Amino acid sequence: KNEVEQSPQNLTAQEGEFITINCSYSVGISALHWLQQHPGGGIVSLFMLSSGKKKHGRLIATINIQEKHSSLHITASHPRDSAVYICAVRWNSGGSNYKLTFGKGTLLTVNP
Amino acid sequence: EPEVTQTPSHQVTQMGQEVILRCVPISNHLYFYWYRQILGQKVEFLVSFYNNEISEKSEIFDDQFSVERPDGSNFTLKIRSTKLEDSAMYFCASKQGPNNEQFFGPGTRLTVL
Repeated sequence: KNEVEQSPQNLTAQEGEFITINCSYSVGISALHWLQQHPGGGIVSLFMLSSGKKKHGRLIATINIQEKHSSLHITASHPRDSAVYICAVRWNSGGSNYKLTFGKGTLLTVNP
Repeated sequence: EPEVTQTPSHQVTQMGQEVILRCVPISNHLYFYWYRQILGQKVEFLVSFYNNEISEKSEIFDDQFSVERPDGSNFTLKIRSTKLEDSAMYFCASKQGPNNEQFFGPGTRLTVL
């Protein structure tokens, strides 16, 4: 069964620290998403990438297709970054529906 | 900035009742999805919809579930006879083309009593 694994499951940091969240997946993908979910439940898309690296503000996402691994980095973390960060992938074998398969998420807490 | 909207934000219903969850995707989007998230669990795919028909459904999406795009703007998920285990957050998502990013709605929290 195609799986998406995230680590760590929980992460606590002090304000200003550099954060890394990891995602690995089992077989080939056509795209990987990083999503943010706040306590209220809504999901916000942060990045979609299929190769290389993307940067938006203090957030950086990288992907290594050969190693089937992606990382989400947050520089100069802030308490407002506290949320669940979710990795989701679109499998190469997914066909025309392009559905996403989600990881379990990483709960990030940034303390002031 | 255009966004996906969902109504209601919270629905409470009795077991066995029918519920309809509504979504308005972004206007020029062509691919539509429903996902659900049971409390404390990961988000799961339910169904995808393109060109006025279901393109894929998961094993969760049994005969009690149906989707419809009745008027070219709304995208609805109907659960015919709700069960306690249908209690979850339901997310609608849409995207413009096959290789574009999916945008998610804020979700509807369904509570079945």
